[in-house]
This record gives sequence, structure tokens and C-alpha cells, in this order.
Amino acid sequence: AQSVTQLDSHVSVSEGTPVLLRCNYSSSYSPSLFWYVQHPNKGLQLLLKYTSAATLVKGINGFEAEFKKSETSFHLTKPSAHMSDAAEYFCVVREGGKLIFGQGTELSVKP
Amino acid sequence: DAGVIQSPRHEVTEMGQEVTLRCKPISGHNSLFWYRQTMMRGLELLIYFNNNVPIDDSGMPEDRFSAKMPNASFSTLKIQPSEPRDSAVYFCASRPTGTASTGELFFGEGSRLTVL
Repeated sequence: AQSVTQLDSHVSVSEGTPVLLRCNYSSSYSPSLFWYVQHPNKGLQLLLKYTSAATLVKGINGFEAEFKKSETSFHLTKPSAHMSDAAEYFCVVREGGKLIFGQGTELSVKP
Repeated sequence: DAGVIQSPRHEVTEMGQEVTLRCKPISGHNSLFWYRQTMMRGLELLIYFNNNVPIDDSGMPEDRFSAKMPNASFSTLKIQPSEPRDSAVYFCASRPTGTASTGELFFGEGSRLTVL
């Protein structure tokens, strides 16, 4: 079975500083991995996806993630945080026809 | 183009009452998913449909929960009888035809259920 582990339940950064949200995956084969974002009282929106093409994946709003097979990681980064980035972020792995979500990381951005 | 539409957005009911949540997927999408989100358990897949047929309902908690998809543009999730532990946000999501290999889902804004 596929699974993902988000290593931090909460991350706090200052506006303008880099963001790092960590995710490790467990998969018996090359996985399809995603990051979704959920703003308060909203549904989930796809940020980016990895499907065995380029290992560095660029997404919306300046986010990117790098697939590292040797480390079984798919960390999400952004060079400079903005106040509007405050939200919950989910690392997700595809298993067959369905998506398995991590527990989420809440990102706070301080002015 | 309209996104996934869920109703009601908020529902408050009393224990023992029947609850029906509704979902209209994006037109042309052939897969539909129901997820439940709680603080304790995060996002859990309850059931999903391909071409209106239930494929995997292993996440449905118990017989009190049932889901139907009578046509390509409508699905319901029913809880009967409801219990306080069913309080959660229920999300519906749909997936476009032909993208099963990438798996991107489009989510509605959720139905927040409170069972007193």
C-alpha cells in the first residue's frame, strides 16, 4: 500500500522568508505524488503533481517540489512566503484509482 | 466553467435524523469521490465511482452510510441514522476522463455537518 508522511503538523515562517514543507512517501514502485492546498473553509486545490517526468516540479503561486527517490521524499518549497500562503498543505500519493492524503501541514505566515 | 457543487454547505441536525448530502460533479468528469475530513482522522476516502458505478467503498464507516450516483451529474451521500461522531466536513471531488494516470481531483467546497 502507498502512503505519505508529512513530517511537520505546523510550520511558521515570516513573510518573505523561504518555505519548506516536508513529505516522505512509501511506495513499492514509482509513485504519482501531489501537493494540494486548502485555505480556511474552502475545498482543496492542486498545487503541483509529479508523474515520473522531471524530478523538479513547478506548481502554482511560486511553489515547487523535488522528487528524490534515494530519500523517498517530495518536499514542497517556495523561495519567499506571502501572507496569502497561510493555509493547510497536503502531500498526496496515488494508489490505483484513488488518492491517499497525508495528515496535513498547517503553514502560518507572520508579517 | 462551474466547479464541483455541493449542498448543503452547512447542516446542523439532531442525532438519529437522516442526512443527505448532494454533489454535482464537473460536466464531463467520469469519476466522483466522497471524502470526509475531521481533526482526528484527517481526510479519509469514503467511496468513489467510475462512470456512475461504485468502485471502492471500503472507506464507508458502517451500514449507516450509503452513497448513490444515479447519473453522471449527481451523487448523494446519506447517513441514516446520524450520530454525533459523524460530525465532519464532507467533500465531493471529481476527476476528468482520461487522466486516471495523473489523478488530479477537483474538489467542491465541502458540506459541514454537525450532529447534536
